[in-house]
Amino acid sequence: KAGVTQTPRYLIKTRGQQVTLSCSPISGHRSVSWYQQTPGQGLQFLFEYFSETQRNKGNFPGRFSGRQFSNSRSEMNVSTLELGDSALYLCASSLGGRRGTSGRVPYNEQFFGPGTRLTVL
Amino acid sequence: QKEVEQNSGPLSVPEGAIASLNCTYSDRGSQSFFWYRQYSGKSPELIMSIYSNGDKEDGRFTAQLNKASQYVSLLIRDSQPSDSATYLCAVGVNAGNMLTFGGGTRLMVKP
Repeated sequence: KAGVTQTPRYLIKTRGQQVTLSCSPISGHRSVSWYQQTPGQGLQFLFEYFSETQRNKGNFPGRFSGRQFSNSRSEMNVSTLELGDSALYLCASSLGGRRGTSGRVPYNEQFFGPGTRLTVL
Repeated sequence: QKEVEQNSGPLSVPEGAIASLNCTYSDRGSQSFFWYRQYSGKSPELIMSIYSNGDKEDGRFTAQLNKASQYVSLLIRDSQPSDSATYLCAVGVNAGNMLTFGGGTRLMVKP
């Protein structure tokens, strides 16, 4: 089974620009979560999408947004880029759903993609 | 105050020894607990998940959860140099997939 894929792998942008990152989850997974990883703040949760709906949101400004399509693929957008947005952006996919409906299979084990390294100059 | 705490290390152990990694969390409503391994320049890789109090073993790895004391630990038996990496503890609170990560513990296994 193919893993989580993210495109592009590397991006260089300048302040004020916007960027769109893409994530394709593992086949059959319906939940996609996005995280930002920086040396200073570590791994921080951005948001989660399940069945095309944002289910959870972290503490990031509105410049960070996302969406999910009917095939579970997800995109993340950052507008008006700032220098501090330079980071590794990771998406993670999981089965999603609620604990009871997934039987004994861990429903929320998250598997990460390789990440997109964004540099803002 | 960070909600998930880990000693940043580095934790240095000789090859073949047991490495013990610890994590404490603040939210008593936490329901799911995970350990990830992250090699330098790579993305995190899930190695263990645990949901109930007690021990869970998978190969050389054992995860231990104590909800009353709000800690979760990871034991790595017969440590190998290839286990040298940063180990991230992650905690899930609600029914969704919002995970809070600790800062990670860097493990160094010396031949």
